[in-house]
Amino acid sequence: QKEVEQNSGPLSVPEGAIASLNCTYSDRSSQSFFWYRQYSGKSPELIMSIYSNGDKEDGRFTAQLNKASQYVSLLIRDSQPSDSATYLCAVLPQGGSEKLVFGKGTKLTVNP
Amino acid sequence: DGGITQSPKYLFRKEGQNVTLSCEQNLNHDAMYWYRQDPGQGLRLIYYSQIVNDFQKGDIAEGYSVSREKKESFPLTVTSAQKNPTAFYLCASSITIQETQYFGPGTRLLVL
Repeated sequence: QKEVEQNSGPLSVPEGAIASLNCTYSDRSSQSFFWYRQYSGKSPELIMSIYSNGDKEDGRFTAQLNKASQYVSLLIRDSQPSDSATYLCAVLPQGGSEKLVFGKGTKLTVNP
Repeated sequence: DGGITQSPKYLFRKEGQNVTLSCEQNLNHDAMYWYRQDPGQGLRLIYYSQIVNDFQKGDIAEGYSVSREKKESFPLTVTSAQKNPTAFYLCASSITIQETQYFGPGTRLLVL
């Protein structure tokens, strides 16, 4: 069973701080990694994707991937109250019949 | 305007009743999915379809049925055999099963 693990939180940070969200996965062959944001009562929306080791930056968001450690993270710089949401990590194992495996999500609260 | 639509936004089911949730996409995606999300919980896969006229059970298919007669449509029926149907139901689609998924706005099902 391929698994994606996230700390359920809640993670609470003050406004302006860096929020760090972490995710580990069990299938070493996985090649594609995604972060979704889900506001309360809404559906998940894709915010970041990463495919290679290292960092990928998009505005205030940075995704980090370390395939050797089977670890992917999302950093949110200058956190805003509007970033308060649940963040879902999703991993795509390699193989023609494989599909996305979602973690259960980490709830982030940014306090003004 | 491309996207995924789900209807209705809210649905009420009476005891012993079957209800059908609609999911339509105009993204020309081959793969479609149905997830269930309970309060404070992660996504659980009910059914998925890789292509028209084909679908497979996910992790919690009991009490649910689907059809995929058209590429654009993947309706989910919650049958009377599903004893605890109250949840947030999310439809998603992807170009192929090996690509990232995009979500519709969801349908909230409540039992009267």
